[in-house]
This record gives sequence, C-alpha cells and structure tokens, in this order.
Amino acid sequence: ELKVEQNPLFLSMQEGKNYTIYCNYSTTSDRLYWYRQDPGKSLESLFVLLSNGAVKQEGRLMASLDTKARLSTLHITAAVHDLSATYFCAVGEAGGGADGLTFGKGTHLIIQP
Amino acid sequence: NAGVTQTPKFQVLKTGQSMTLQCAQDMNHEYMSWYRQDPGMGLRLIHYSVGAGITDQGEVPNGYNVSRSTTEDFPLRLLSAAPSQTSVYFCASTISGANVLTFGAGSRLTVL
Repeated sequence: ELKVEQNPLFLSMQEGKNYTIYCNYSTTSDRLYWYRQDPGKSLESLFVLLSNGAVKQEGRLMASLDTKARLSTLHITAAVHDLSATYFCAVGEAGGGADGLTFGKGTHLIIQP
Repeated sequence: NAGVTQTPKFQVLKTGQSMTLQCAQDMNHEYMSWYRQDPGMGLRLIHYSVGAGITDQGEVPNGYNVSRSTTEDFPLRLLSAAPSQTSVYFCASTISGANVLTFGAGSRLTVL
C-alpha cells in the first residue's frame, strides 16, 4: 500500500523567508504532483514531476523529485502573503494511471507580513 | 469550456437517505475519479473509472456506488447516508496516463 507523508503539516512563516515542504512516499512511483488549495476552493495543479532529478519552477515555487530517496520537495523562495494556502503532494504507483493517486495530508502554509 | 462540473455544491441529508452527486466533464477525458476530503486527512480516493463501462474501487469505497455509462458523466451514489460520510467530495478527470488531474469545485455534504 502506497503511503505518502508530508511535513510539516502546518507552517507559519514571515514574508521574505525561504522554506521547504517535504513529501516522502513508500513505494516505487513514476509520477508525483503538487497541488495548491485555497480555503473553500478546489485544487489547482502546480507541478508534475515524472523522472528522477526532475526540477520545475514557477515564480517563487520550485519542486524537485528524487525517486531513489522517494522524496519530493517544494521550496518557497522569498515568501509572499499570496502564497498562503494548503499544499498537497500526490503520488501515483508505478504503472498506474493518473486517476488513482494517493495524497499527502497537506501542508497548511500561513505567510505573515 | 466548462471543465469538470459538480452538482450540488451543498447538500444536507438525514441518516439513511440516499442521494447522487453528479459529475460531468466536457473535455473527452478517459479517466474520472471521486475523492473525499476530510480535515487533516488529505484527499482519499473513493472510486475511479478508466473509461465508459469500467469502474474500480479506491481506498475508501464502502457506502458508495458509481457507474460510468458515458465518457462525460461519473455519478457517485450514497445508498444510505451515514454521518461518517459528512465530507467535501471532489470529482476529477484526466485524459490519460501521467497527465494532471482537473478537479471540480467540490460538493459539501453534511449527514445529520
């Protein structure tokens, strides 16, 4: 059974600081996703990581994947208040389709001025 | 282009009542799935479908039925609602393989 563990689950940080969210998973996977959710809203896709060493960046967010360590990171650079949200990683087992994903519990991020 | 449309957005049921959450997508996606989101639990897969006529169970299927008679629609049925089914339900779809899921806006269900 695939297990996905995110940490931290809650993070309060100040604007301008850097921080990293970690996503560990328990079995072989060939795809990993990062999603953002604002309160009361649906999930918005941020990144798809498909291979070992993959790195993707969008604005102040950068995601990476190490399939050997079964670890993905979401790095926030010089945080701004607009990045306050809950961030989920989701992992698909190797050979499966994108529909049957296992999600982490989410990291609730608050960025204070 | 409407994407993934879920109805209703809010619903209150009494224990034992039945209802159907509707999900429709207009993107000709093969894969559709239902997740439930509970506080502190992330999203958990209920059922999914890889195409019309094909469905399978996810992590938490008990108490829910699905069918996929067309590519566009993937309804989720609660036959006898229980308080433990109080949750926010999300329908999602993707064209195939490793593509990104597109989520609906969610349906908030309360079972009293």
